[in-house]
Order: sequence, then C-alpha cells, then structure tokens
Amino acid sequence: QVQLQESGPGLVKPSQTLSLTCTVSGDSISSGSYYWSWIRQPAGKGLEWIGRIYTSGTTNYNPSLKSRVTMSVDTSKNQFSLKLSSVTAADTAVYYCARINFGENYYYFYMDVWGKGTTVTVSS
Amino acid sequence: EIVLTQSPGTLSLSPGERATLSCRASHSVSSTFLAWYQQKPGQAPRLLIYGASSRATGIPDRFSGSGSGTDFTLIISRLEPEDFAVYYCQQYGSSEVTFGGGTKVEIK
Repeated sequence: QVQLQESGPGLVKPSQTLSLTCTVSGDSISSGSYYWSWIRQPAGKGLEWIGRIYTSGTTNYNPSLKSRVTMSVDTSKNQFSLKLSSVTAADTAVYYCARINFGENYYYFYMDVWGKGTTVTVSS
Repeated sequence: EIVLTQSPGTLSLSPGERATLSCRASHSVSSTFLAWYQQKPGQAPRLLIYGASSRATGIPDRFSGSGSGTDFTLIISRLEPEDFAVYYCQQYGSSEVTFGGGTKVEIK
C-alpha cells in the first residue's frame, strides 16, 4: 500500500523560500504511470493545485504560482520536493502531496493517494 | 484556466436523505478527467469518483457521479453519518488542474 509523507519546516519567514519533501513508501516512485503533485489549502478555504512532476523531471505548474515554484524528484530516495520562493502570509496553508494516477492508457486523471498534509506558516 | 463552480455552497440534510451536488465548468471538460473528493475536518481529501462516474476502490455504491461537458453531478443516495463532509470536484485540462470551491454537506 503506497503511502506519502510530507516533511519540512512548519514556520518560514516572509520573503524566504518554503521547502517541503514528500517521501513515498510502499512502492517505487518510478513504477507505474504516475505523476506526483503538490496541493495546498489555506485554513478554512478550498484546495489549490500547485504543480506536478514526473520521474523524468517533467513539470507543470499552476500559472498563478509558476514564477515562484520549483519541483524536483530524487528517485534514489523515493522522494519529490517543492520549493516556493518569496513567500508571504498568503502562502500560509496546509500543504499536501499526492499521487496522480492516469489509469490505463493515460485515459483518466485523478489523485488517488494523498499525504496527511503539513502546516506551513509564514510569519516573522 | 477552467473554473469549476460548485453549488450549493452548503447543503443541510438529515441522515437517510439524498444529496445532490453540482459542479459546473466554465468550459467543456473531458469527463475522463473529472474527479470528486471528500474531505473531513483535519484530514486529507479522499478520492470518491474518477472519470466522472467511476467509483474509487472501497467507495460505497451510495455515491454516484454523472455528467459531461460543463455539468457534473455527485449524488449520495442515502446519507450516512460519516458522509457529512466537504466535497470537491477537480478537472484536468491543458496540463492544468483546478478544483471547485467545495460543497459542505452538514447535518440538518
């Protein structure tokens, strides 16, 4: 059973870079037709997609965050990571990592495995 | 960007009642790329429906999804106590993902 676990600092100062890692357990991050994604949720609000990465390093980012986001993958550690630069209080949220499943023949798109989330607060 | 609008914002119902949740897209969405999630307080979202109408593994058959183009619906046929939660629709298109704003199903 695949599990995801987010990790990283819970407090980041304004203008600094938020860095989070998602560790995949129960299977190789390179197996199957999966992308890996980050999603965030400010307290009391809805879900916002941040971006996705494939094990080849191919990425797609939310256009609204694209200028500040960098995602990377380390297959040797079974991990993928998120960096969000120049953070402000508006970046305070619970950050989730998730697996994107395309199903057979890349026919579908859905997020079938989620981490429990990690809270990141941006404050001085 | 495709905007997903969910309605109603809040649905107040009693256990045993039927819940009908709507997700409307600003442009046509491929039904194979439309999913629904359930989220309870303090928990991560859980996949309910993918491909607009296929139930995810372990999801009870009281949950059903339908729709195409710009209009999609999630129906919970008979609400169980554990179904009171927030529900989100999500679409994928042009290499971008968007979520609806959510519908909260609360106990009346």
